[in-house]
Amino acid sequence: DGGITQSPKYLFRKEGQNVTLSCEQNLNHDAMYWYRQDPGQGLRLIYYSQIVNDFQKGDIAEGYSVSREKKESFPLTVTSAQKNPTAFYLCASSIGTDSYEQYFGPGTRLTVT
Amino acid sequence: AQKITQTQPGMFVQEKEAVTLDCTYDTSDQSYGLFWYKQPSSGEMIFLIYQGSYDEQNATEGRYSLNFQKARKSANLVISASQLGDSAMYFCAMRGYRDDKIIFGKGTRLHILP
Repeated sequence: DGGITQSPKYLFRKEGQNVTLSCEQNLNHDAMYWYRQDPGQGLRLIYYSQIVNDFQKGDIAEGYSVSREKKESFPLTVTSAQKNPTAFYLCASSIGTDSYEQYFGPGTRLTVT
Repeated sequence: AQKITQTQPGMFVQEKEAVTLDCTYDTSDQSYGLFWYKQPSSGEMIFLIYQGSYDEQNATEGRYSLNFQKARKSANLVISASQLGDSAMYFCAMRGYRDDKIIFGKGTRLHILP
């Protein structure tokens, strides 16, 4: 079955540590996205990638970094510079950035204490 | 700048009744797309329906329909014959023709009562 996987579903870290969230897709999609969701809020775009080895900042990129070395993978690193990292993180992909429909993974809930 | 507004933070509806979730948008683009997503308590986002700005007919997908009123910049989601499984957060979203990204509203939490 084609889809997007994110692991782990729940992640706990101590303040000051970097943490990497995994996102893998086997849909052969070119575009991939990372969103952050806070309670009672919509999704805010962190980073997106239109093609391998290329990515652009979204609306709230500060304190985050990404890489896109393979088409299937788009890991997100939450660095210690991110002031309020506790949130729900969703990864998505689409055929291209001009495609209207995005397919989402199940999300990772990150808690930093 | 583009903006999506969902004015209903929460709604309670009796099972089997129809539901209308409000969404208004603001854009200067002539060509754009509007979407609705459902987010159950599990967290993943489920695509429900899409409406293009030049589509003359309102989009329908099973029990979901999108009431598109372009002049009013309104894209309300209508769920017919609501079911208990419809209880979830619902997000309205939009992408402009020239944009690489989708913007989301803050969502409406729908509770279906038995």
